[in-house]
Order: sequence, then structure tokens, then C-alpha cells
Amino acid sequence: DQQVKQNSPSLSVQEGRISILNCDYTNSMFDYFLWYKKYPAEGPTFLISISSIKDKNEDGRFTVFLNKSAKHLSLHIVPSQPGDSAVYFCAASKRTGANNLFFGTGTRLTVIP
Amino acid sequence: DAGVTQSPTHLIKTRGQHVTLRCSPISGHKSVSWYQQVLGQGPQFIFQYYEKEERGRGNFPDRFSARQFPNYSSELNVNALLLGDSALYLCASSVGVGGEQYFGPGTRLTVT
Repeated sequence: DQQVKQNSPSLSVQEGRISILNCDYTNSMFDYFLWYKKYPAEGPTFLISISSIKDKNEDGRFTVFLNKSAKHLSLHIVPSQPGDSAVYFCAASKRTGANNLFFGTGTRLTVIP
Repeated sequence: DAGVTQSPTHLIKTRGQHVTLRCSPISGHKSVSWYQQVLGQGPQFIFQYYEKEERGRGNFPDRFSARQFPNYSSELNVNALLLGDSALYLCASSVGVGGEQYFGPGTRLTVT
């Protein structure tokens, strides 16, 4: 049972424009959410996280928005750059107890120069 | 500073064999987690260890086992390999049980 879902397997965006990657979750016990970026032949790289007590977290060009009532989060990248082209994974966890992350299936972002 | 390191990078085994994968966490990190990533899917949690104790286990058969050593490095063992065990095995470390996890490059296991 997939508790974290990324329904868009791929996304293409023009350089300089905004990229919006979406993620939905089903488990209301999740209270900590992360985004990872993955290049081929490398492990996932941590990008940004958000706790359920917040609805927005910003770090440079990356902003994550959390809508708890809709069980939805999104990652905004502004402006998009060709180096952002990668697979992006959304992950969720329950901060109490074990820190196992539940991952979505990923969205492949292509930024076109 | 060195990141999470894993060995070997690639491995080819035949069905029924046993495999041991190794992971060294970032210096100062006391928790190690293992994930399996099958092609086209997101990583799936296998184990978490903190201070040499198992703190979490995912939905994997008993053929999968792990341990953590006093220097916080870790080994993942898989017995009686099946074709379906072919995957990228990722190790992640974190300072404590919670918080951000930092991943290594993974070990690509192919079972033939």
C-alpha cells in the first residue's frame, strides 16, 4: 500500500520558469516531510524538509508547501535551472519512534535550456 | 568531510547465495538506515539502527538482517538470494533516530 504518492512520473519546464512537483500522502500520522533529489548512479540528496507544525519552508530557490487538511505537499523551484534536472522524491515519516522514511515513486524533472 | 560511503559499488550474485553490504556513516552520525530501491520505485525502508540497536524494521522477510558496529558502521546481510532481490541498496545516516537522513551512493545488486 503506497502511503506516499507522486502521481506525475515526469515534468518538463523551461529554464527560468517555475517547477512545481506534487506529492500526496494517506497516513495522517506523518508529521515530517522531506524532498530528495537523485541523479543517476548517486544516492538521493536531501533538499528541504518541513514539519507538520508549519505550512511553508523556504531555502533559496526551493520552497515546500504543506496542506495538512488535503494531505498534500508541493515543491516549488524558482527559477528552474538545467542542473535541476533529476528525479525528485517526496518522503514522509513519523518523528516519534523509528525514523523510517516512506518514499513516493519519484518525478523526473527536465529543465529545458 | 566524507559523506556516507558504501561498498561494494556493484555486485553480481546467483540465486541462493548470500551477500553482505557495508556502510560507513558520516562522522558523528550514530544512526544508520537501509533502504531497497527497485527500478522505477522509491526507496523502501528495510532497517534502522541506532547505537547498535535495531530501532525499526520494514516489511522484509527474515532473509534480511543487519547489524551496527561500535564505530557506527553497518552491514546488511541477505541470505538465499532471489531474483527479486536485484535492486539498489541504499544506506542513510543521521545524527539521531529522527531528523534528516543523508544517503550514500548505494550498492547495485544483481541476482542472476
